[in-house]
Amino acid sequence: GQQLNQSPQSMFIQEGEDVSMNCTSSSIFNTWLWYKQDPGEGPVLLIALYKAGELTSNGRLTAQFGITRKDSFLNISASIPSDVGIYFCAGNPLRSSGTYKYIFGTGTRLKVLA
Amino acid sequence: DAGVTQSPTHLIKTRGQQVTLRCSPKSGHDTVSWYQQALGQGPQFIFQYYEEEERQRGNFPDRFSGHQFPNYSSELNVNALLLGDSALYLCASSSKLLALRFNEQFFGPGTRLTVL
Repeated sequence: GQQLNQSPQSMFIQEGEDVSMNCTSSSIFNTWLWYKQDPGEGPVLLIALYKAGELTSNGRLTAQFGITRKDSFLNISASIPSDVGIYFCAGNPLRSSGTYKYIFGTGTRLKVLA
Repeated sequence: DAGVTQSPTHLIKTRGQQVTLRCSPKSGHDTVSWYQQALGQGPQFIFQYYEEEERQRGNFPDRFSGHQFPNYSSELNVNALLLGDSALYLCASSSKLLALRFNEQFFGPGTRLTVL
């Protein structure tokens, strides 16, 4: 099935460092969602983005809706051990506006070294 | 306020069998979407139910079917199970009324299906 390109695939960082990851698509999206998933659990919604260029924060997390509407970025500042997990982007294609048919990225696996 | 709940938590079946998974959406939500997540991959959209009808469908065979009840809860049925159906099945709930403004969906903990 279709998945969005997400990078990096995985990253090991030191506690306190900032983290950046991104998600790209060949199609235009009207909504971007960022989720975090812990092993054996369902994804938890972190941030939702609705307009091109929008920058939204949730605590130490900041996400941006790319101006081209084909990409999105997530930054985590001052990482802590509990940030470990898999981060997924999910996009709602323009042709599916008003629905909840989301396409997910391949995931970025984050490990934080204390 | 209860979030999205799913049952059972884990399930083991053999090839050729049929399985039914259940989902109760978050209070106030009326739309349920089902996703399949294979190990190491992102969730793949199966289908979505609103007003007791299938509204959107992903690229999954007819062996995957569903149902939504008047109380908005939903079932996912998979017939003639294959080894490749082993995955985490996730239910996501959302509100159709808010879809055009706040297109958010919230996931349950999932059901881990193992097909032997």
